[in-house]
Amino acid sequence: KQEVTQIPAALSVPEGENLVLNCSFTDSAIYNLQWFRQDPGKGLTSLLLIQSSQREQTSGRLNASLDKSSGRSTLYIAASQPGDSATYLCAVVNDYKLSFGAGTTVTVRA
Amino acid sequence: DVKVTQSSRYLVKRTGEKVFLECVQDMDHENMFWYRQDPGLGLRLIYFSYDVKMKEKGDIPEGYSVSREKKERFSLILESASTNQTSMYLCASTQAGGRGNEQFFGPGTRLTVL
Repeated sequence: KQEVTQIPAALSVPEGENLVLNCSFTDSAIYNLQWFRQDPGKGLTSLLLIQSSQREQTSGRLNASLDKSSGRSTLYIAASQPGDSATYLCAVVNDYKLSFGAGTTVTVRA
Repeated sequence: DVKVTQSSRYLVKRTGEKVFLECVQDMDHENMFWYRQDPGLGLRLIYFSYDVKMKEKGDIPEGYSVSREKKERFSLILESASTNQTSMYLCASTQAGGRGNEQFFGPGTRLTVL
């Protein structure tokens, strides 16, 4: 069974600092990996999707890397802003089922 | 933009009631999913459907059933609600091929069973 771990569980940084969020998974036979953002009491917003054949994906200030062989992905958020405060979830796809990590809750202090 | 909508943002029901949670997507996606999200347990898959009238159990199907009579609509049914089904319920959809399996989520329904 696929297990997804996100460390740390929570992170607090001053505005302007770069954020580094980690995700690890046990079964490397994934189809793709997806990063989501969740604001309190809300649904999930898709941030980035990395196909298994890709090494990284970028969107604006966000960059996600994928190393399938070691079972790791990292989400980088450059020059953090208070609006980046949220919980960030990674999920891996085996076939069409998602397995989620527990998330990293980020607080960006103004 | 893909839009996934859920019928209620908040719902309060009594133990033993039959509860229907509705989800509609507007992008002609083949696959639809129901998850529940609980503190400390994360998101867990309840059921999914890969076509009209087709369904498969996820990781925690006990106490739930689903219905998919039309491609755009996927319903989650709690036959007899219990307090341990108090949770945030999230619906998602994805197309079967093309861009792959990027899942798009609805806003969630927070269900409280008293």
